[in-house]
Amino acid sequence: AQRVTQPEKLLSVFKGAPVELKCNYSYSGSPELFWYVQYSRQRLQLLLRHISRESIKGFTADLNKGETSFHLKKPFAQEEDSAMYYCALSGDDKIIFGKGTRLHILP
Amino acid sequence: NAGVTQTPKFQVLKTGQSMTLQCAQDMNHEYMSWYRQDPGMGLRLIHYSVGAGITDQGEVPNGYNVSRSTTEDFPLRLLSAAPSQTSVYFCASSPNDSNQPQHFGDGTRLSIL
Repeated sequence: AQRVTQPEKLLSVFKGAPVELKCNYSYSGSPELFWYVQYSRQRLQLLLRHISRESIKGFTADLNKGETSFHLKKPFAQEEDSAMYYCALSGDDKIIFGKGTRLHILP
Repeated sequence: NAGVTQTPKFQVLKTGQSMTLQCAQDMNHEYMSWYRQDPGMGLRLIHYSVGAGITDQGEVPNGYNVSRSTTEDFPLRLLSAAPSQTSVYFCASSPNDSNQPQHFGDGTRLSIL
């Protein structure tokens, strides 16, 4: 069975400081991993996926199979990054989400 | 394209009542799914469908039924509403399978009294 763990419910970071949102997963097969973001009063939307290895809005995430992690990082936080972030794992036709981390950027 | 459309946006029910949450997509997506979002619990998968005529259970299927008679529609039925089903419900779809980025609807906020 798949499992996604986001250990932080809330992360407060000062503007301009680095951001790291943690995500660990458990899955016996080869996972597809995603980060989704939900801004206030907007739909949940894809931020990035590990297979594309893109940088979106300055965010990157690297899949570490040894540590079974897919942490989301950004070198310099911006106020517009304040949102709810979900890590998700796809496997066996199902997508399982973590409990989410609320990122609060302090001015 | 409207994308993924959920109706209604808000609903209040009494315990024991039944209702259907509607989800429709106009992108000819094969894969559709339903989630509930609760504070501190994240999104939990209720049911999913890999194509018309095929449905399967997710993490929290009890108390919910689904059907997929067409590619476009994936309704979620609450047979006998319970206060524990108070939540925000999201429908999502993707072109072929769960490995592709999911397109989400705006959600339905459901309160069970």
